[in-house]
Amino acid sequence: ELKVEQNPLFLSMQEGKNYTIYCNYSTTSDRLYWYRQDPGKSLESLFVLLSNGAVKQEGRLMASLDTKARLSTLHITAAVHDLSATYFCAGSKDTGNQFYFGTGTSLTVIP
Amino acid sequence: KAGVTQTPRYLIKTRGQQVTLSCSPISGHRSVSWYQQTPGQGLQFLFEYFSETQRNKGNFPGRFSGRQFSNSRSEMNVSTLELGDSALYLCASSFLIWTLNEQFFGPGTRLTVL
Repeated sequence: ELKVEQNPLFLSMQEGKNYTIYCNYSTTSDRLYWYRQDPGKSLESLFVLLSNGAVKQEGRLMASLDTKARLSTLHITAAVHDLSATYFCAGSKDTGNQFYFGTGTSLTVIP
Repeated sequence: KAGVTQTPRYLIKTRGQQVTLSCSPISGHRSVSWYQQTPGQGLQFLFEYFSETQRNKGNFPGRFSGRQFSNSRSEMNVSTLELGDSALYLCASSFLIWTLNEQFFGPGTRLTVL
């Protein structure tokens, strides 16, 4: 079974600051995903990372994947209030679409 | 393109009852997966269907079952409901399995068991 750990669980940051969310996984994962969830809402896909060294950026968010270290990071640049949400990473193996989710990081951006 | 739809959005049941949840995937998507989300256990995989066949199953008791129809719509059923089954049930669809496609999630069904 693929185990996925995220840290921190809770993150409170000031607007304009930078921070990184870490996602470690236990065994080889073919793909690594990042999702965002707003309170009471479903999961919104942010990034799909497919290979070692993959880096993707969208707005103030940048995700990267290091398969050798079994680590993915989600970097937040110059945070704004609209980024407040819970962020999940998820891995999958080659046997289908079974996702293994991390515990989530609840991000609060304060003015 | 319409997204993944789930019905009903909210359900209240009592212990011992059974419930059926429905999921309509994005048009053209053939894989449907179900997840349970609770504050204590987080997001946990229930099962995945592709072309009416269950491809993967998570570690849930036999009270949880599902099926997929020829039009890719899927249902999941929970029998003999327990208080611990209260959760947000999410359905996700993707075009194919064993590909690099991402999964798109529906709005979820919030089940409360009293």
